Amino acid sequence: EDQVTQSPEALRLQEGESSSLNCSYTVSGLRGLFWYRQDPGKGPEFLFTLYSAGEEKEKERLKATLTKKESFLHITAPKPEDSATYLCAVRTGNQFYFGTGTSLTVIP
Amino acid sequence: DSGVTQTPKHLITATGQRVTLRCSPRSGDLSVYWYQQSLDQGLQFLIQYYNGEERAKGNILERFSAQQFPDLHSELNLSSLELGDSALYFCASSPPSRGAINEQFFGPGTRLTVL
Repeated sequence: EDQVTQSPEALRLQEGESSSLNCSYTVSGLRGLFWYRQDPGKGPEFLFTLYSAGEEKEKERLKATLTKKESFLHITAPKPEDSATYLCAVRTGNQFYFGTGTSLTVIP
Repeated sequence: DSGVTQTPKHLITATGQRVTLRCSPRSGDLSVYWYQQSLDQGLQFLIQYYNGEERAKGNILERFSAQQFPDLHSELNLSSLELGDSALYFCASSPPSRGAINEQFFGPGTRLTVL
């Protein structure tokens, strides 16, 4: 069964304290892995697409990496405005599967 | 602002009723996706349309249906509503793929409450 699991469910960091969020997946025929940021009451906002193992993408304080079984979203020196829920999604065939997200809180 | 619009923002109705949610994609985007987000299940993919044709189907109930019109806006129809249908419904759009799996741009959502 195709499945996407994100960990941890919640993460509290001090401002400037770097960390990583994990997205592990078991799908057949991965066609893309996506990271989104979602603020409360809003739609997800696209961050990155990764297509193949070994690929890395970077944007400001965020860096996404992909292996054959999981993806990591590394957050370097986070700021309070990085507080949000981070969602991972995979596409297999014409189906999309989302994880339940990691709720990140960055404390000033 | 992603450029995707959804109406209405909030909808309160009773069990057994039927509602229609509307979505306008970003200019130039041909694909429209519908998702349901509930507290206990996260985002669930419902259905995708591409240039007016159904492209993929996810966990969409038989009581739900969707269509994409010639002007590319889309509607999601939910009928015989049950309490468990209360959720946030998101629409997303993406540009023509040209071989790549493009990112999706999400609208602000419609919050449906079934009483």
